[in-house]
Amino acid sequence: DTGVSQNPRHKITKRGQNVTFRCDPISEHNRLYWYRQTLGQGPEFLTYFQNEAQLEKSRLLSDRFSAERPKGSFSTLEIQRTEQGDSAMYLCASSLEYAGYSGANVLTFGAGSRLTVL
Amino acid sequence: AQRVTQPEKLLSVFKGAPVELKCNYSYSGSPELFWYVQYSRQRLQLLLRHISRESIKGFTADLNKGETSFHLKKPFAQEEDSAMYYCALSGMDTGRRALTFGSGTRLQVQP
Repeated sequence: DTGVSQNPRHKITKRGQNVTFRCDPISEHNRLYWYRQTLGQGPEFLTYFQNEAQLEKSRLLSDRFSAERPKGSFSTLEIQRTEQGDSAMYLCASSLEYAGYSGANVLTFGAGSRLTVL
Repeated sequence: AQRVTQPEKLLSVFKGAPVELKCNYSYSGSPELFWYVQYSRQRLQLLLRHISRESIKGFTADLNKGETSFHLKKPFAQEEDSAMYYCALSGMDTGRRALTFGSGTRLQVQP
């Protein structure tokens, strides 16, 4: 297991196009998170899954954003009709959660997928 | 609502000097606090969390509920401590379970 893997690492697209990012978490981890980070800011929460269930979604998340984790393993984050304001680093993280264990917020992060919208 | 404030964008100290990275939070319930660190060209990673009450790489942090703070301290800074440090909070009861991060403080340790 090489940790959390994200693809592509860099994506340049034109405004209005759709983009999709993929995240492969640590295989034993049942939680998967998506964050967005812009220059000079900390990671901003977007959404998270426990297994295949999407348990929380940020109210700041536009309807143009959708995330899936169909089999409880890898996840995809799609941005439709991209805007220049979507330019950011998109971070994926995973963790393990089970009853009696306090490590759900011990996140292992991927290297991120950098999106540039022209 | 959950909020984490890191008032300093940059903290520059000399090697061997004490370090204190400030973190204040806003949360009405029982919080769980963390410090994450990102070294140059590396991924964001956990440094420490308050429930562990342990020292990692010489760093400690104490949760002060009265002052709603979780400052990160190290008595003698090393050049390898230079990195971006993020304070993060999770609401353990009715709040958001996923982590809310502060905007980060860049620690620069000069030789």
